[in-house]
Amino acid sequence: IAGITQAPTSQILAAGRRMTLRCTQDMRHNAMYWYRQDLGLGLRLIHYSNTAGTTGKGEVPDGYSVSRANTDDFPLTLASAVPSQTSVYFCASSDSFGGYNSPLHFGNGTRLTVT
Amino acid sequence: TQLLEQSPQFLSIQEGENLTVYCNSSSVFSSLQWYRQEPGEGPVLLVTVVTGGEVKKLKRLTFQFGDARKDSSLHITAAQPGDTGLYLCAGESNYGQNFVFGPGTRLSVLP
Repeated sequence: IAGITQAPTSQILAAGRRMTLRCTQDMRHNAMYWYRQDLGLGLRLIHYSNTAGTTGKGEVPDGYSVSRANTDDFPLTLASAVPSQTSVYFCASSDSFGGYNSPLHFGNGTRLTVT
Repeated sequence: TQLLEQSPQFLSIQEGENLTVYCNSSSVFSSLQWYRQEPGEGPVLLVTVVTGGEVKKLKRLTFQFGDARKDSSLHITAAQPGDTGLYLCAGESNYGQNFVFGPGTRLSVLP
């Protein structure tokens, strides 16, 4: 089934540790995104990529980095995790960046707890 | 920064009842989308509204975009337990942020 695969499904991480959340899509979408979802705050954009080789900062980029070496993969790295990064992380993709004709397709999320 | 508010935050109703949830902003959006999210899954797109005053129907769900494109509503007729979930609105930003999401309305339909 075509879609977005995120790994791991959940993770408990000690503060200060490095962690990479994986995201792979098989829809050949040009744009990819990372969101975090926190109760009462909704989904907030961390980083995005318009196309392979380019990335941009979203609303809450501090403490996170991304890379887009190819069309399919968009990993999110926490260089030194802090408890405030405890959240559910969603990867999404769309055919192009922005615009109502290019809706977002989401993965099932990674639940991260930083202790 | 363009912000979206959703109300109510939580709603619990009996099967068969009607309900309306709201998405409001002080900003104008180019378009607005509604998503439904079930536990343990990512949001799934329900509908996109583009024109001020536009009404779209999806079976028992009716979506309306405000005339000024600052607000939207979702009305569910004869709610069913399968409608249970988190309903998110997302506005297409005019400032290159792609889509801005509201915090969501968590709906529970009891059998």
